[in-house]
Amino acid sequence: QVQLVESGGGVVQPGGSLRLSCAASGFTFSSYGMHWVRQAPGKGLEWVAFIRYDGSNKYYADSVKGRFTISRDNSKNTLYLQMNSLRAEDTAVYYCAKDARLGTGRLDYWGQGTLVTVSS
Amino acid sequence: QSVLTQPPSVSAAPGQKVTISCSGSSSNIGNNYVSWYQQLPGTAPKLLIYENNKRPSGIPDRFSGSKSGTSATLGITGLQTGDEADYYCGTWDSSLSLVVFGGGTKLTVL
Repeated sequence: QVQLVESGGGVVQPGGSLRLSCAASGFTFSSYGMHWVRQAPGKGLEWVAFIRYDGSNKYYADSVKGRFTISRDNSKNTLYLQMNSLRAEDTAVYYCAKDARLGTGRLDYWGQGTLVTVSS
Repeated sequence: QSVLTQPPSVSAAPGQKVTISCSGSSSNIGNNYVSWYQQLPGTAPKLLIYENNKRPSGIPDRFSGSKSGTSATLGITGLQTGDEADYYCGTWDSSLSLVVFGGGTKLTVL
């Protein structure tokens, strides 16, 4: 069965950096695009970034563009999110999610999430 | 401010039916498939409906979806207390080249 397990969350000071990982199993990771979606405490879902199956194209929300970088290592079945210049408003649970089909916005499997807290 | 608009909350009694609306534009709902996600308290979102009206394996037929123009609707019949959750619509926005979600609707089963 499909499993997505995020890690790397924690407490970081404003302006700091953090790298999240998402270990995938149960499907052919190298054949599917992947997303990062976040949810601030008590708020709704906010899409963060997407990377195509081969890493050839990457898309970002305006709120993180220039600060966050999505990447993947298909040999390790792992998705990453490098987060720099972190702000208080980046505090959220970060989910990785598998893309079912490019251009549909259909995220068919989600991880359990990892909490990032930006605070001094 | 979400790109897709949902009512903040809906409620109904056990056994009744409820609908949740999701309004967008021609660049998102109007020209792309809509998905719906259920987020039970303290858990990750789960895909409930995809391609406007299809259910993944394991999702009961009490859940249904439809789309007309730039709006979509999630329907839930035979409400159960276990259906209490936040529900989100989502789709691809062709103009923005990104995924967009609604703000979420909290369902209360009275």
